[in-house]
Amino acid sequence: DSGVTQTPKHLITATGQRVTLRCSPRSGDLSVYWYQQSLDQGLQFLIQYYNGEERAKGNILERFSAQQFPDLHSELNLSSLELGDSALYFCASSPGAPGGTDTQYFGPGTRLTVL
Amino acid sequence: AQSVTQPDIHITVSEGASLELRCNYSYGATPYLFWYVQSPGQGLQLLLKYFSGDTLVQGIKGFEAEFKRSQSSFNLRKPSVHWSDAAEYFCAVGPPARGNTPLVFGKGTRLSVIA
Repeated sequence: DSGVTQTPKHLITATGQRVTLRCSPRSGDLSVYWYQQSLDQGLQFLIQYYNGEERAKGNILERFSAQQFPDLHSELNLSSLELGDSALYFCASSPGAPGGTDTQYFGPGTRLTVL
Repeated sequence: AQSVTQPDIHITVSEGASLELRCNYSYGATPYLFWYVQSPGQGLQLLLKYFSGDTLVQGIKGFEAEFKRSQSSFNLRKPSVHWSDAAEYFCAVGPPARGNTPLVFGKGTRLSVIA
């Protein structure tokens, strides 16, 4: 158990809908990362937050957004869902001190299926 | 842009045999290097990491990896594979000297273990 929790574990929804994925980082970790894992693209970085502020952005679609709350949990919002958004979404956390060499610890993931 | 290549999509080894999974990276400087393992239906677990120093790194579960700067490689090895090692293995890199930044992952190598 990495200490990173993600809910829900599975999510099945229809095209055009909106969903919210939730991540609670390890106790004390300030950085949260979101990654998408799909069969064709592999593991791709979406977005990073550090202590409530966006720190880095990757291949995140405009239909997707995220935020990190004062209690450091993070939510990834996916809207106008398309079939191609079906994937496993991972959250990772690290202590996140700037310039540090922290390890990212991954949660179990949320499997999203868009029908 | 940095990239990670794992040339072998799928490898099958016999239980008790040795294992080497290949990883090559493309980067302007020596990046931080990681190996993660993903068991079916699970999240990513860190096996080992290299930041600097000794180029032979020991990890969990009896794994080790060797950083070879001249070959831009970070191959993962295990002297004797157990059936429980069957999983997907991912090599990842992070930008050097900055830390706590998103990782770039290879496409993964799926390991099957036969009796």
